[in-house]
Amino acid sequence: DGGITQSPKYLFRKEGQNVTLSCEQNLNHDAMYWYRQDPGQGLRLIYYSQIVNDFQKGDIAEGYSVSREKKESFPLTVTSAQKNPTAFYLCASSRGELGANVLTFGAGSRLTVL
Amino acid sequence: GQQVMQIPQYQHVQEGEDFTTYCNSSTTLSNIQWYKQRPGGHPVFLIQLVKSGEVKKQKRLTFQFGEAKKNSSLHITATQTTDVGTYFCARSNTGNQFYFGTGTSLTVIP
Repeated sequence: DGGITQSPKYLFRKEGQNVTLSCEQNLNHDAMYWYRQDPGQGLRLIYYSQIVNDFQKGDIAEGYSVSREKKESFPLTVTSAQKNPTAFYLCASSRGELGANVLTFGAGSRLTVL
Repeated sequence: GQQVMQIPQYQHVQEGEDFTTYCNSSTTLSNIQWYKQRPGGHPVFLIQLVKSGEVKKQKRLTFQFGEAKKNSSLHITATQTTDVGTYFCARSNTGNQFYFGTGTSLTVIP
């Protein structure tokens, strides 16, 4: 079955450590996205990528980094510069076509900083 | 940011009652999408509206897009416990960026 796989599902990090969240899709989608979800704040866009080797910052990119070396992969690194990293992180993808663009989400990764 | 405003933030209803969530934008929207996130789950696409005044139905769910394309609503008739979750509206722009509303969390009391 086609879909998006995020790993790990749960992650604990000590302050000062970088962590990388994995996102892999086999939907052959061009566009991929990372969102952060906090209670009562909906989904906020961190980074997005329309094509391999290209990505843009979203509204809350500070303290995060991404890469898009392969079409199917879009890993997110939460760096030690992110002041409040405890959150639920959602990866999504879309075909990238205007007018027929909907998001398919992975199951999410829950990061807790100890 | 370019988020859309969504109200109410929380809604508790008795099973069988109706439920409505509203999404508002200060600018004209090219489209509006609705997603549902079950507790502990991830958002799942429900529907997209693109035309002024458009109304679409999915069983007990009715989706509307305002005439001015600045607001949208989701109405659920006779709620069931399976309707529990958070409902998000979202807009996309020409750059294929998606911006979400803050969501309405629906609790259905049996």
